[in-house]
Amino acid sequence: AQRVTQPEKLLSVFKGAPVELKCNYSYSGSPELFWYVQYSRQRLQLLLRHISRESIKGFTADLNKGETSFHLKKPFAQEEDSAMYYCALGLWGNEKLTFGTGTRLTIIP
Amino acid sequence: KAGVTQTPRYLIKTRGQQVTLSCSPISGHRSVSWYQQTPGQGLQFLFEYFSETQRNKGNFPGRFSGRQFSNSRSEMNVSTLELGDSALYLCASSFQEGGRNTGELFFGEGSRLTVL
Repeated sequence: AQRVTQPEKLLSVFKGAPVELKCNYSYSGSPELFWYVQYSRQRLQLLLRHISRESIKGFTADLNKGETSFHLKKPFAQEEDSAMYYCALGLWGNEKLTFGTGTRLTIIP
Repeated sequence: KAGVTQTPRYLIKTRGQQVTLSCSPISGHRSVSWYQQTPGQGLQFLFEYFSETQRNKGNFPGRFSGRQFSNSRSEMNVSTLELGDSALYLCASSFQEGGRNTGELFFGEGSRLTVL
């Protein structure tokens, strides 16, 4: 069975400081990894996916198969980054996503 | 494009009753998934429908069921409600490209169910 672990429920970072939200997964095959974000009073939405290898709003995430991790990083935090972040694992050709329990990121001005 | 629409947004039921929740996906999206969100368990996958067929199912009891109509609209039903069914039920739709989903789910605002 697939499992996604986000070890930090809460994370506070000063504005301008680097951000790293941790995500580890367990799955024996080749997974698809995603980061979803929910801003205050908004819907859950996709932030980025590992196959795109893109930077969205300054965030990047690298899939490390050896460490089974998909940490989300941003070099300089901004106040608008405050939100709930969920790491999710999907299987190729299968629409089911397994979500982590989420990390609430607060950027301190 | 209008986003995913879920109705009702809030509802209160008592134990033993049943409930039906509705979801209208984004126009052109044929896949609809349902998730249960609770403070203790987080987001848990219920099921996914595509072209009126259930393609995937999560680990929920048979009291939880769903269906999809020819216009891609979906409903989920929970029978014999229990206190533990109190949760936010999220619907998400996605678009198929080249025969498979893109992996991007578009979520609705959810239906918050309270069971007393």
